[in-house]
Amino acid sequence: DTAVSQTPKYLVTQMGNDKSIKCEQNLGHDTMYWYKQDSKKFLKIMFSYNNKELIINETVPNRFSPKSPDKAHLNLHINSLELGDSAVYFCASSPSERPNTEAFFGQGTRLTVV
Amino acid sequence: AQSVTQPDIHITVSEGASLELRCNYSYGATPYLFWYVQSPGQGLQLLLKYFSGDTLVQGIKGFEAEFKRSQSSFNLRKPSVHWSDAAEYFCAVGGGATNKLIFGTGTLLAVQP
Repeated sequence: DTAVSQTPKYLVTQMGNDKSIKCEQNLGHDTMYWYKQDSKKFLKIMFSYNNKELIINETVPNRFSPKSPDKAHLNLHINSLELGDSAVYFCASSPSERPNTEAFFGQGTRLTVV
Repeated sequence: AQSVTQPDIHITVSEGASLELRCNYSYGATPYLFWYVQSPGQGLQLLLKYFSGDTLVQGIKGFEAEFKRSQSSFNLRKPSVHWSDAAEYFCAVGGGATNKLIFGTGTLLAVQP
């Protein structure tokens, strides 16, 4: 079983559309994250949830709205998609929000906005 | 502010040769340091981490890294590179109140036969 799984793996959509990316972890971790990797491979954190509560929100446009229905799931909804949103989005989880814990990453979702 | 610098964007080594990937960090307190590897089209896999204790840490796939506080460095090494090591390598620093990882810009490793 995949530890951190994201769906879909690829997503191609038009500007202005609304789309969601789903993430699930079966590791029993308390903390989940969304990272964005741009075209230059630069990785930056977007959000972090701990036990369904938002703990990190890194200056992300409010078109991006994470939702955590339970601690095993962290979904990312994006409204009014723009060309600049094209990137690879990685979900990750860690046992806790403490900094000395390892983050496990999903395979990524490649979003292309045309 | 926390930051991570990976000075080498692209490195090419011959199979069987030794490898060292550089990482320098900026952090006000004791950092937690990580090396991740990303194979093409894949997610990130943790190679090794440093939290405290012995400054030379061993990881998976024969990799090791050494934490040098005086140089603010955490360089990744491997004595003999295999073709399957070709990938993008990311150094990251964590710490503070939350487990937010700050990543370097990555080093792309190519392996020549």
